[in-house]
Amino acid sequence: GEDVEQSLFLSVREGDSSVINCTYTDSSSTYLYWYKQEPGAGLQLLTYIFSNMDMKQDQRLTVLLNKKDKHLSLRIADTQTGDSAIYFCAAVSNSGYALNFGKGTSLLVTP
Amino acid sequence: NAGVTQTPKFRVLKTGQSMTLLCAQDMNHEYMYWYRQDPGMGLRLIHYSVGEGTTAKGEVPDGYNVSRLKKQNFLLGLESAAPSQTSVYFCASSTDQGVADNEQFFGPGTRLTVL
Repeated sequence: GEDVEQSLFLSVREGDSSVINCTYTDSSSTYLYWYKQEPGAGLQLLTYIFSNMDMKQDQRLTVLLNKKDKHLSLRIADTQTGDSAIYFCAAVSNSGYALNFGKGTSLLVTP
Repeated sequence: NAGVTQTPKFRVLKTGQSMTLLCAQDMNHEYMYWYRQDPGMGLRLIHYSVGEGTTAKGEVPDGYNVSRLKKQNFLLGLESAAPSQTSVYFCASSTDQGVADNEQFFGPGTRLTVL
């Protein structure tokens, strides 16, 4: 099955850029996703990238996809304290419906 | 639209007790999922359903049963709760007609403690 790996923690200062990295094993996933989980809440889709794209920009978010290395990254520009959350990388599982999630990266933004 | 709702929000059980977690969605989604979230483990898929009357096993199905009698509801049952089932349970739903295939919408979670 699909394995999705992420680093577990990242700490940045407010105003700096954050980069969260993810690697995956199965290159057949049509879309790759980034979800955000705020404390005590469920996951919300933050952004996604179609597998035939190298980059997608959405306001402060930039997603980079390197299909050769099976590496996905999420860059948050001008990180704010409200960006503190857990970020999950996800890819479609063998079922074709469910998602395989990484373990999540806890982002801490300090003033 | 309420989106995806889950009841109850919190529950404490004793070992061996049974309970049912209810998930409801009002978006007419075909697909529904149950995940559990444990520290350092991320989200793991328990069971899922691709339509009314259908269910399938996910990554960690043992000790759980599910039913999808109505399209809008997906029930997760624990017949004999064990301390290892202490976790936060998330329900999600999706449609293949979404902005991005497999975009999933999550409920707020149920925090279950088994003593």
